[in-house]
Amino acid sequence: QVQLQESGPGLVKPSETLSLTCTVSGGSISDSNYFWGWVRQPPGKGLVWIGDIFYSGSPDYNPSLQSRVTISVDTSKNQFSLKLSSVTAADTAVYYCARKDSGKYDAFDVWGQGTLVSLSS
Amino acid sequence: DIQMTQSPSSLSASVGDRVTITCRASQSISTYLNWYQQKPGTGPKLLIYAASSLPSGVPSRFSGSRSGADFTLTISSLQPADFATYYCQQSYSAPYSFGQGTKLEIK
Repeated sequence: QVQLQESGPGLVKPSETLSLTCTVSGGSISDSNYFWGWVRQPPGKGLVWIGDIFYSGSPDYNPSLQSRVTISVDTSKNQFSLKLSSVTAADTAVYYCARKDSGKYDAFDVWGQGTLVSLSS
Repeated sequence: DIQMTQSPSSLSASVGDRVTITCRASQSISTYLNWYQQKPGTGPKLLIYAASSLPSGVPSRFSGSRSGADFTLTISSLQPADFATYYCQQSYSAPYSFGQGTKLEIK
């Protein structure tokens, strides 16, 4: 079965760029049934959709983050990535990568375990 | 943007109880409503999609329904593994929004 695993630095300096990668195993990122997305969860708070992307299409972003977010796909590595620029304390959160299934009314049906990203001074 | 209002924010119940959690959308989302279960330190797990469909492997004690703009998640007989936080989410239009969450605790 498909598994997702986030990787990247757990500490980022204020005003710098947060970069995370999600590795897809057990399936192909080029499968036309799925989109690939990012969701974050600030400590003790709820879930926020960041954006998602089809392997051959343009990404869709949350307008609240759009000016700072880039999501991209690397089909050769079966990975997709998140970059968030100009980070502040408000960006401290657990970041999840997830698969969106167009056959399940675009529900996120597979999730990574999440990775905590904090800001360091 | 579509706002999702979930209630209650917390709930205490006992093993064997029937529990209901509600989610209301600020505008029509057809049946593009999903429910997730999250346990501490783990990613969310999809419980219900399209308002009432169960993914393979989800126990049948979980069910979902819709009445107009109101959506309901029901757990027919609580099991110890069900104590967790539950979120609704609309996948009708971006930005895809989640409810605030319902924390289900043991009474």
